[in-house]
Amino acid sequence: EVQLVESGGGLVQPGGSLRLSCAASGFTFSDYWMNWVRQAPGKGLEWVANIKEDGSEKHYVDSLKGRFTISRDNAKNSLYLQVNSLRADDTAVYYCARGLRRNLYWGQGTLVTVSS
Amino acid sequence: QSALTQPASVSGSPGQSITISCTGTSSDVGGYNYVSWYQQHPGKAPKLMIYEVSNRPSGVSNRFSGSKSGNTASLTISGLQAEDEADYYCRSCTSSNTVVFGGGTKLTVL
Repeated sequence: EVQLVESGGGLVQPGGSLRLSCAASGFTFSDYWMNWVRQAPGKGLEWVANIKEDGSEKHYVDSLKGRFTISRDNAKNSLYLQVNSLRADDTAVYYCARGLRRNLYWGQGTLVTVSS
Repeated sequence: QSALTQPASVSGSPGQSITISCTGTSSDVGGYNYVSWYQQHPGKAPKLMIYEVSNRPSGVSNRFSGSKSGNTASLTISGLQAEDEADYYCRSCTSSNTVVFGGGTKLTVL
C-alpha cells in the first residue's frame, strides 16, 4: 500500500524556519518525481515545488523562490521542504504528492501556522 | 505561472449533469495532454479523478469524464449525486516541468 506521511509542521513565529518531511512507503521512491503542494485556510491548492527522481532537477513556484528549498533522500525514502523567512501568508496545510504528470497519491498534510 | 481559470462555483440537481471548465494557455493546458482533475472534500486530501485529459484511475466512477479543446479543459459529472458535492481542481504540467493548479470550483448539489 502506497503511503505518504508528512511531518514537521507546527506553530512558528514570523521570520522563523521549519523543515517539513514526507516519509514514503509502498513504492519505489526513486522512480518518481515528488511535489509539495500547499493550501491556505479556506483557499485553493497551490503547487509549491517539485523534484526529479534523482534530485537533479528542482522547480519552484516563482513567488517562493529563494525562501523554500526542496530536497530528497532516496536512501531514506524521504522528501523534504526547508521553509525560511516564514510569513503569515505561508500559513497552510502542506501536502506531499507523488508524480509529475498526475498526483495519484497524496499525504494527509501537515499544518504550518505562522503567528506571533 | 498564473493559476488556471475555473468558475468559482457550479450547481446542479441530483441526476443532472454539470461541466466545469479550466482555461490556461498554450504553455500549459493547450500545449500538453497532462491535465488532471482532483476532488476535495472538506478536511480531506485531494483525490485524483481524471488524468491525461480524459483517463479515469481505477475505482473512479464512469460518471466522471474529461475533455480538452485548445487551451480549455473540461470536467463533466453526469448523474449528479449528493456525494459529488465537493471542491474540484484542475492541474496542468507546463513546458518547464512546473505545475499549475486552477483556482478551484465549489460544486453544490441542490
